[in-house]
Amino acid sequence: ETGVTQTPRHLVMGMTNKKSLKCEQHLGHNAMYWYKQSAKKPLELMFVYSLEERVENNSVPSRFSPECPNSSHLFLHLHTLQPEDSALYLCASSQDSGHWTSEQYFGPGTRLTVT
Amino acid sequence: GQNIDQPTEMTATEGAIVQINCTYQTSGFNGLFWYQQHAGEAPTFLSYNVLDGLEEKGRFSSFLSRSKGYSYLLLKELQMKDSASYLCAVMDSNYQLIWGAGTKLIIKP
Repeated sequence: ETGVTQTPRHLVMGMTNKKSLKCEQHLGHNAMYWYKQSAKKPLELMFVYSLEERVENNSVPSRFSPECPNSSHLFLHLHTLQPEDSALYLCASSQDSGHWTSEQYFGPGTRLTVT
Repeated sequence: GQNIDQPTEMTATEGAIVQINCTYQTSGFNGLFWYQQHAGEAPTFLSYNVLDGLEEKGRFSSFLSRSKGYSYLLLKELQMKDSASYLCAVMDSNYQLIWGAGTKLIIKP
């Protein structure tokens, strides 16, 4: 596998469920990101990890819980979500965070529907 | 607050030229990115501008004017596969990317 992969690609869950999204990057990058993409809205940065340490948390509700066990893997744990959390969740990686040359490489996303 | 503005949707004809504009107001500036995103797919990097002027890369060019807070993406010799959303993003003084909502480009034969 190359690039950034995400599983599952589609997820339907009830408001009382607990699920996890997985992201893996095969690029040797040091930084990983979670974004939320809703229709006709800008990408919303949720979390940034640099060398497995969280460096950014943009006031995301606690029902979203990230985990970065190593520099290649990133998880987003979901529990008691709301219907407005339905969106495309994108994972990205870059060589470094906090550097202007770091273009981000995105995974294909997980389409999440909360019922 | 920080803001990125770009048109919601544009339509162009196959073989023609289209210019997608982006204006920004951010706290600091460390470069402007353009990404392409086909429906149901990941955004992919197109270009990066940090100095004023035009950067050309094949059929795609990107222009930046820092004094005007303005950029455009120019697509030449349009092909049907260029139908996609084009995302403008600015890196602010904290090296955080501020994203526009994207411009959906529709190419007609």
